[in-house]
Amino acid sequence: QVQLVESGGGVVQPGKSLRLSCAASGFTFSSYGMHWVRQAPGKGLEWVAVIWYDGSDQKYADSVKGRFTISRDNSKNTLYLQMNSLRAEDTALYYCARSRDADMVVVSALPYWGQGTLVTVSS
Amino acid sequence: SYVLTQPPSVSVAPGQTAVITCGGSKIAYQSVFWYQQRPGQAPVLVLYDNSVRPSGIPERFSGSKSGNTASLTVSRVEAGDEADYYCQVWHSTSYHYVFGTGTTVTVL
Repeated sequence: QVQLVESGGGVVQPGKSLRLSCAASGFTFSSYGMHWVRQAPGKGLEWVAVIWYDGSDQKYADSVKGRFTISRDNSKNTLYLQMNSLRAEDTALYYCARSRDADMVVVSALPYWGQGTLVTVSS
Repeated sequence: SYVLTQPPSVSVAPGQTAVITCGGSKIAYQSVFWYQQRPGQAPVLVLYDNSVRPSGIPERFSGSKSGNTASLTVSRVEAGDEADYYCQVWHSTSYHYVFGTGTTVTVL
């Protein structure tokens, strides 16, 4: 069955960097677009970024563009989120999620989610 | 930026029907996805492409659109349906996915 396991969260000071990972299993990782979605404590879901199945393209929310980089290693079945210049407002539970449709990234729902990894930005 | 507006809360008695709306200026032309998030859990996809239920989602969950508003209807509401619900679309102009503001469904 599809499994997504996030890791790499923790407490980090403002302005510092952190890299999140998402280990995928149970499906052909290289065939699916992958997303990061975050949820600040007590708040709603916020889409963060998406990467095409082959890594050829990435899109970002305006709130993280220029600071965060989504990437993937299809040989390791792993998704990453490099977060630089972190701010207090980046504090959230970060989920990775898989697109529903193989070889299709846009207009594709997210039926599979991990349990999330918590990032706290605080001095 | 593109905004999807949902009512903050909906209250419904067991056995009754809950309707959760999602308003957006271009929603008539967009495929809408709906997610359920129970407290402390990851979101679960309950509808995609406006009204299609993934495997394992009860028939009690249905979706529709009218004009600039999409709706998720939960019929014969049960205590286990108490959760936050979010709509989502792909906004082609900005090449972003967008989530709605979220609706908390309370079963009385």
